[in-house]
Amino acid sequence: EAQVTQNPRYLITVTGKKLTVTCSQNMNHEYMSWYRQDPGLGLRQIYYSMNVEVTDKGDVPEGYKVSRKEKRNFPLILESPSPNQTSLYFCASKGTSGRYTDTQYFGPGTRLTVL
Amino acid sequence: DQQVKQNSPSLRVQEGRISILNCDYTNSMFDYFLWYKKYPAEGPTFLISISSIKDKNEDGRFTVFLNKSAKHLSLHIVPSQPGDSAVYFCAASGWGAQKLVFGQGTRLTINP
Repeated sequence: EAQVTQNPRYLITVTGKKLTVTCSQNMNHEYMSWYRQDPGLGLRQIYYSMNVEVTDKGDVPEGYKVSRKEKRNFPLILESPSPNQTSLYFCASKGTSGRYTDTQYFGPGTRLTVL
Repeated sequence: DQQVKQNSPSLRVQEGRISILNCDYTNSMFDYFLWYKKYPAEGPTFLISISSIKDKNEDGRFTVFLNKSAKHLSLHIVPSQPGDSAVYFCAASGWGAQKLVFGQGTRLTINP
């Protein structure tokens, strides 16, 4: 089954404790992206990757890091989480044609709470 | 600066009637628009899209209308069904950019 998976689905942590949220897709997509969803703000892009070893900042990259060492994986790293990073996070990937109109497929989400 | 706006946080519609969800955008460079549907505890799923060269796109019970001069699009669901109850996000893209810009979402509730 074609899908985007994220782990963990739920995470409660404390300020300053480094964490990683994993994302994996099995569709051989080149493009992958991370979004956060907050009430009243919709989904905002954090980082995206056009291909292996190619990453770039989205609209709200502060406090986050990413890496793309393999095509299928795109982990999101919070080196020193803070309470304002409490949010619902979605990973997404997109088709291989390179057209910006390719459909984005989203993972199930990771709900992160930073105390 | 919210470039894509959904001004109605919620909408209640009777089963069998038409649901109309609205979306406005400010960036005239957007030329591709999408609607995503999201159920609780799931990721958004693609519903329907429209290119700026069209003013209407239909897929079964779902129709998206685009008014470029007003920078406005709408999603019509006819007839509405209880399974349509979800949060609907409008999104836009353009000028070759790979990212999507999302609206705030509208929670649609279909009453039986």
